[in-house]
Amino acid sequence: DIQMTQSPSSLSASIGDGVTITCRAGQNIGTYLNWYRQQSGKAPELLIYGASSLQSGVPSRFSGGGSGTDFTLTISSLQREDFATYYCQQSYNVPLTFGGGTKVDI
Amino acid sequence: QVQLQESGPGLVKPSDTLSLTCTVSGYSVGGNDWWGWIRQSPGKGLEWIGYIHHRGNTYSNSSLKSRVTMSLDTSKNQFSLKVNSVTVDDTAVYYCARRYSFGSHWYFDLWGRGALVTVSS
Repeated sequence: DIQMTQSPSSLSASIGDGVTITCRAGQNIGTYLNWYRQQSGKAPELLIYGASSLQSGVPSRFSGGGSGTDFTLTISSLQREDFATYYCQQSYNVPLTFGGGTKVDI
Repeated sequence: QVQLQESGPGLVKPSDTLSLTCTVSGYSVGGNDWWGWIRQSPGKGLEWIGYIHHRGNTYSNSSLKSRVTMSLDTSKNQFSLKVNSVTVDDTAVYYCARRYSFGSHWYFDLWGRGALVTVSS
C-alpha cells in the first residue's frame, strides 16, 4: 500500500492568510494526486485533481503543485469556509489511500 | 443536478452484516464511471472501501479481508455495499461517491452526505 503523509496535522490561521499544506507519498506516484476539503459534519469535496488541475467551480485561491513523491496545496487567501480539514489521496493504484488530514482552524 | 444518497440501518449488531444502498439521481450508474464507497471512523481519516462498474468489475481494499460485497442495479439506478462479520471497528460514517475519469486521471467528484453506521449490541 502507498502511504500518504500530510504535514502539518493542524495549523492555525486567520481570514486572509495564505497557507500551504504538504503531502508526501511513500513511492513515486507521478501526478496521480487529488486534494479534498471536508468542512465539519459534511462530506469531502474535490478541490484539485492530477496534482494541479482545479476542479470546475472551485475558487482560484486554491492551487496544487508537485509530482513524484512531494505535493503541495496552497490557499492564497483563507475565507471562512476554508476552515476545514484537507486530505490528499493517491489515485496511482489500489488500494487507494488518503493522507491523515490537515485541520486548518482559526 | 446529480445527487447521491446513502440509506440503510444505522445500528448493526457485532458479527452481523452491514448493508447500505446508494441511490443516484440525475445521472445513470450504467455509464463508464465507477461507483465507490469510502468510510470515516469517528474523529479519524478517510478509508477507501472499494468501487464497482456496471459491467460487474469490482476492486476492494484488502484491509477488509474479503468481508466486502458490492453490487449495482441499473434498473433502480442504485449500488450497494455489504460488509459481513462486523465489529465495533466498522463503526463509521459511510460515504458513496462517483469515481470520475478525465484523461488519465480519476477522482471522487460527487459524494453522498454520508450515513453513520454504529456497530453495537
